[in-house]
Amino acid sequence: DGGITQSPKYLFRKEGQNVTLSCEQNLNHDAMYWYRQDPGQGLRLIYYSQIVNDFQKGDIAEGYSVSREKKESFPLTVTSAQKNPTAFYLCASSIGTGALGYTFGSGTRLTVV
Amino acid sequence: AQSVAQPEDQVNVAEGNPLTVKCTYSVSGNPYLFWYVQYPNRGLQFLLKYITGDNLVKGSYGFEAEFNKSQTSFHLKKPSALVSDSALYFCAVRDSYTGTASKLTFGTGTRLQVTL
Repeated sequence: DGGITQSPKYLFRKEGQNVTLSCEQNLNHDAMYWYRQDPGQGLRLIYYSQIVNDFQKGDIAEGYSVSREKKESFPLTVTSAQKNPTAFYLCASSIGTGALGYTFGSGTRLTVV
Repeated sequence: AQSVAQPEDQVNVAEGNPLTVKCTYSVSGNPYLFWYVQYPNRGLQFLLKYITGDNLVKGSYGFEAEFNKSQTSFHLKKPSALVSDSALYFCAVRDSYTGTASKLTFGTGTRLQVTL
């Protein structure tokens, strides 16, 4: 079945460490997105990529980095510069520019310990 | 800039009663509107969308939504609620421009609680 796979489901990080969240899709979608979800704040866009080897900052990119070396993959690195990284992270993808909506992965819950 | 407002943090309804989850939007051009549902520790699942055409849109699990251009609203409805409908619901909007700069903007979510 086609879909988006996020791994791991739960991730624990020590302060000062970088961690990378994986997102893989086999839908042949062009665009991919990373969102952060905090209680009461909805979804906030971190980064997005419309094509391979190109990506743009979203609303809250500081402290995060991404790469898009393959169409299927869009990993997110949470760096030590992100002051409050504990959150639920969602990856999504879309056909073209997403006019018909997005398909979401099941999320990664990151906790700083 | 585009925006979405979901004025209710939580909606409580008894099983079997009709439910409404409210959404209003602001967008510069014509809107594309979406509803998603999220169960605990899961991603968002697509429910329905309005792109063009009939103002009443039918979606998954018996949900429907009515696009009202004059009131800039896209309320989610279901004639008879089920306990299993209890979840977090998100409304989202983008304008109809299909260029790379246009992305979905999500509301803050409304928690639906259906009780026996």
